[in-house]
Amino acid sequence: NAGVTQTPKFQVLKTGQSMTLQCAQDMNHEYMSWYRQDPGMGLRLIHYSVGAGITDQGEVPNGYNVSRSTTEDFPLRLLSAAPSQTSVYFCASSPGGGYTEAFFGQGTRLTVV
Amino acid sequence: GDSVTQMEGPVTLSEEAFLTINCTYTATGYPSLFWYVQYPGEGLQLLLKATKADDKGSNKGFEATYRKETTSFHLEKGSVQVSDSAVYFCALSDPNYGQNFVFGPGTRLSVLP
Repeated sequence: NAGVTQTPKFQVLKTGQSMTLQCAQDMNHEYMSWYRQDPGMGLRLIHYSVGAGITDQGEVPNGYNVSRSTTEDFPLRLLSAAPSQTSVYFCASSPGGGYTEAFFGQGTRLTVV
Repeated sequence: GDSVTQMEGPVTLSEEAFLTINCTYTATGYPSLFWYVQYPGEGLQLLLKATKADDKGSNKGFEATYRKETTSFHLEKGSVQVSDSAVYFCALSDPNYGQNFVFGPGTRLSVLP
């Protein structure tokens, strides 16, 4: 059982480049989300989705886009990378309905130079 | 808004020592509380959770009790092992506001043989 799969694991971008971080889950979870992890700040919510076709902004959405065309996939797009987006990105999914835990991918370490 | 505060560490202990990592929260509703663990190079894994006041979550020798009166969810383990070295995150999720999680900054634990 794969759970939540993120690709790539590592990426180096130049300032101004764009890229897409992929996230897929095979647990048929309705709820998916993206977080960034920075030292001393825990994880901060970027965007989330409560189901296919529905997305919303989290705490730190600027510079990122998302879409949810299927239940399984929730890609995160960086439109024009900036050094401030250097971080570790985690995708998570959960069944929804309250009281349930989130399942996390292995993370993508992104460096913007 | 909701928030989670936890001791940031790093915490260094000898094997078989007693561990406490403090966590307090602020929430407008009645959140569920979680402890996640992150081993080096990996994503976050659920360690334990509690969904209502006075609930005790436990797993792998770790315990935490949901204390509504003190808004706390302190993590404890009676005898740590080298394999417990990791970063520990306290988090909350308010079922009335979807499945978004609010994380503390994380506490790095190092256990020496």
